[in-house]
Amino acid sequence: EIVLTQSPGTLSLSPGERATLSCRASESVSSRYFGWYQQKPGQAPRLLIYGSSYRATDIPDRFSGSGSGTDFTLTISRLEPEDFAVYYCQQYGFPPYSFGQGTKLEIK
Amino acid sequence: QLQLQQWGAGLLKPSETLSLTCAVSGGSLSGDYWRWFRQAPGKGLEWIGEFNHNGGANYNPSLESRVTISLDTSKKHLSLKMTSVTAADAAVYYCARASPGGWLIYWGQGTLVTVSS
Repeated sequence: EIVLTQSPGTLSLSPGERATLSCRASESVSSRYFGWYQQKPGQAPRLLIYGSSYRATDIPDRFSGSGSGTDFTLTISRLEPEDFAVYYCQQYGFPPYSFGQGTKLEIK
Repeated sequence: QLQLQQWGAGLLKPSETLSLTCAVSGGSLSGDYWRWFRQAPGKGLEWIGEFNHNGGANYNPSLESRVTISLDTSKKHLSLKMTSVTAADAAVYYCARASPGGWLIYWGQGTLVTVSS
């Protein structure tokens, strides 16, 4: 099983600041099979990024994804109030499809 | 617009069988992958298994002995059954449709399952 480790566990920032979230895989993952999701309390996850760097439909361009191999990054260029949530990375190339443990982005 | 609506028993006793249904509307069942996930309170997401477009099912090895996923195309229902539940199975359960590439755009609303004697 591919284990995904996200860092930091919690990120405290202010609106307008830049957020950088990391995800490291225990073994190499094809960029085609890597994504990021946002989850707010009481809601299902929402797809942000697929294929490592492609924004899903209706996702603002302040969200961007990058990376390859074992290291991937989600960047939010200028935080808006609605961006404070939990973010998960996922590999969907090899079952069991695994998620990271999440990064909580909280208002400073 | 595809929508997934879930239902099922939310309170189970240890050793009972969890049974959830996910109804698909606004789209076709053909192709793609239909998956179940769960999320224990305050925890991350865990893949339970899937029903794929070839008509077969794949399961997380950690749950395989207790899980059955099926797809009723006539009713447009995806089902999850998990036998012999324990407190460790308490979680919010989600159904989701994976695109051909594997990412998850459409999710059910989630069903909270509690296990208590």
